[in-house]
Amino acid sequence: EVQLVESGGGLVKPGGSLRLSCAASGFTFSSYSMNWVRQAPGKGLEWVSSISSSSSYIYYADSVKGRFTISRDNAKNSLYLQMNSLRAEDTAVYYCATRRVDTFYWGQGTLVTVSS
Amino acid sequence: QLVLTQSPSASASLGASVKLTCTLSSGHSSYAIAWHQQQPEKGPRYLMKLNSDGSHSKGDGIPDRFSGSSSGAERYLTISSLQSEDEADYYCQTWGTAWVFGGGTKLTVL
Repeated sequence: EVQLVESGGGLVKPGGSLRLSCAASGFTFSSYSMNWVRQAPGKGLEWVSSISSSSSYIYYADSVKGRFTISRDNAKNSLYLQMNSLRAEDTAVYYCATRRVDTFYWGQGTLVTVSS
Repeated sequence: QLVLTQSPSASASLGASVKLTCTLSSGHSSYAIAWHQQQPEKGPRYLMKLNSDGSHSKGDGIPDRFSGSSSGAERYLTISSLQSEDEADYYCQTWGTAWVFGGGTKLTVL
């Protein structure tokens, strides 16, 4: 069974940093690209970033470019999102997600709150 | 630029059927999409992948009440025999170097 478990969320002050993690199991993690998607309170889903299976290709939404860094460790079956220079508008539940063949898988999410 | 457009809300009675629409922007009518359901206070749940020809493949455990169809740039999600637990937000999505989501449709079951 595919499982994606996010961690690392919490309360951080504007301008601060946070590192999210996503532990993957139940599939060959190193073979699939991974994504971060976020959802601000009361809002829809917003794609944040993606990374290819070997980390060769990395993409960011314009809203986070230059502030967030996605990475992965295939030996640890883990995905990361380093978030710097956080703003109030980054407050959201962050989900890791992947597409495997014709199926999408989602984690349960981790809440990031940016507030003074 | 690829844009997915969904109506903000829809409603239907318990036991009835409802058809939700996702419209692909001009020039993208051949794209496949995915439908996801998000029940209140829960994470998204994958429902199905829907191709431009209307063929679709559903996720594990998705009831037969959920089906998909396509016409031109329109992608549809039909839910029949509506149940209370179907009250949720429904998102369409495409994927490539970036994932693109529609704004979501909030379905109310009356």
